[in-house]
Amino acid sequence: SAVISQKPSRDICQRGTSLTIQCQVDSQVTMMFWYRQQPGQSLTLIATANQGSEATYESGFVIDKFPISRPNLTFSTLTVSNMSPEDSSIYLCSAGTTIPTDTQYFGPGTRLTVL
Amino acid sequence: AQSVTQLDSHVSVSEGTPVLLRCNYSSSYSPSLFWYVQHPNKGLQLLLKYTSAATLVKGINGFEAEFKKSETSFHLTKPSAHMSDAAEYFCVVNGDSSYKLIFGSGTRLLVRP
Repeated sequence: SAVISQKPSRDICQRGTSLTIQCQVDSQVTMMFWYRQQPGQSLTLIATANQGSEATYESGFVIDKFPISRPNLTFSTLTVSNMSPEDSSIYLCSAGTTIPTDTQYFGPGTRLTVL
Repeated sequence: AQSVTQLDSHVSVSEGTPVLLRCNYSSSYSPSLFWYVQHPNKGLQLLLKYTSAATLVKGINGFEAEFKKSETSFHLTKPSAHMSDAAEYFCVVNGDSSYKLIFGSGTRLLVRP
């Protein structure tokens, strides 16, 4: 299994600012994803973080709002740009390999509050 | 397209009694199915995974789930609930080649002393 860490674990930000969340995996993985969990809700996939190329975004999420980087096989960042109170959520990254199994493991999440 | 329906938003049981959390799935592919648990203010932990090797899957902490293709179900069970089982449980499907996970809406398990 993969062990995933995220930084920061939580933050309180002012509207209009941006926050970058880091995701570090303890081993090389083929898959990395970013999810959002709004208060009291389930998880929604934001995007697939592709190593060395632009991320693949899900419907309703755009690169200008959620730019993602993945410079190598163990690290990715998600930026939440020009924040509004509606962006207050938990942001989680997941990672895994496709061989021998496609199981994904999750980081502890970043709890973001926007005032 | 893949989808998951968790039939109960809340389940309440007494400590020591059985737990049943229900999940139905829809997939146009042969799916991988997962149960994840999220304790308050914690990340997601993998409980168990179905990969087509066996229809009855055993997971951590005494949980197990049975894959029933004819009923498109993947219900999670535990013979005897413990207070520490109180958490949010998510049924998840991964049915296509992109490996994206589709989450159910979640079931909050309450365990009464």
